[in-house]
Amino acid sequence: QSVLTQPPSASGTPGQRVTISCSGSNSNIGHNNVNWYQQFPGMAPKLLIYGNNQRPSGVPDRFSGSKSGTSASLAISGPQSEDEADYYCESWDDTLNGRVFGGGTKLTVL
Amino acid sequence: QVQLVQSGADVKKPGASVRVSCEASGYTFTGFYIHWVRQAPGQGLEWMGWISPHTGATNYAQRFKGRVTMTSDTSITTAYLDLSSLTYADTAVYYCARLLPLYGMDVWGQGTTVTVSS
Repeated sequence: QSVLTQPPSASGTPGQRVTISCSGSNSNIGHNNVNWYQQFPGMAPKLLIYGNNQRPSGVPDRFSGSKSGTSASLAISGPQSEDEADYYCESWDDTLNGRVFGGGTKLTVL
Repeated sequence: QVQLVQSGADVKKPGASVRVSCEASGYTFTGFYIHWVRQAPGQGLEWMGWISPHTGATNYAQRFKGRVTMTSDTSITTAYLDLSSLTYADTAVYYCARLLPLYGMDVWGQGTTVTVSS
């Protein structure tokens, strides 16, 4: 079981807004930043969102992140077929004194 | 360009140890922590720990303490992951990644597949 909880799957059409949730606790998301990673099969993860809601250079603006309390969300506005991948949230955990990941969410674009 | 290049795939027998290397280039090696993350087949990402190449300080995930050692050699800008007492459950792809606090793991190695097989 992962410390951060994500739904195993999410789906949407190019005309929709898809949201992936990441639930934690006060020892992690509640007091620390959340990062999101995108991973394609057989590839290394790629940083998608850092500091809860910041996009690294080159990440399309259809990707956005937010955080409220002990939960965070990744939103994809109008997902494209090339966005089909696994998405992971990640944060620091004060109790475990280490970084923790969510279990990952597989995005399917219908 | 900024990159982390890892050593090649390895096959080990149960009970053996494995070393994975991660060579950094294109940036100041001592300016970023190096984190190690692994991914078992069909599974999610699992954080293993970090090393500060600047100070040599380390922090290991509890479940790996006693079996893992992370080191670095600043003269060749390379970080190392040593994992001992391997079991079949250690079969995974092992990644190194650099992290700057508040900015996430922004550069990743290509991954090293470690297979534990008798």
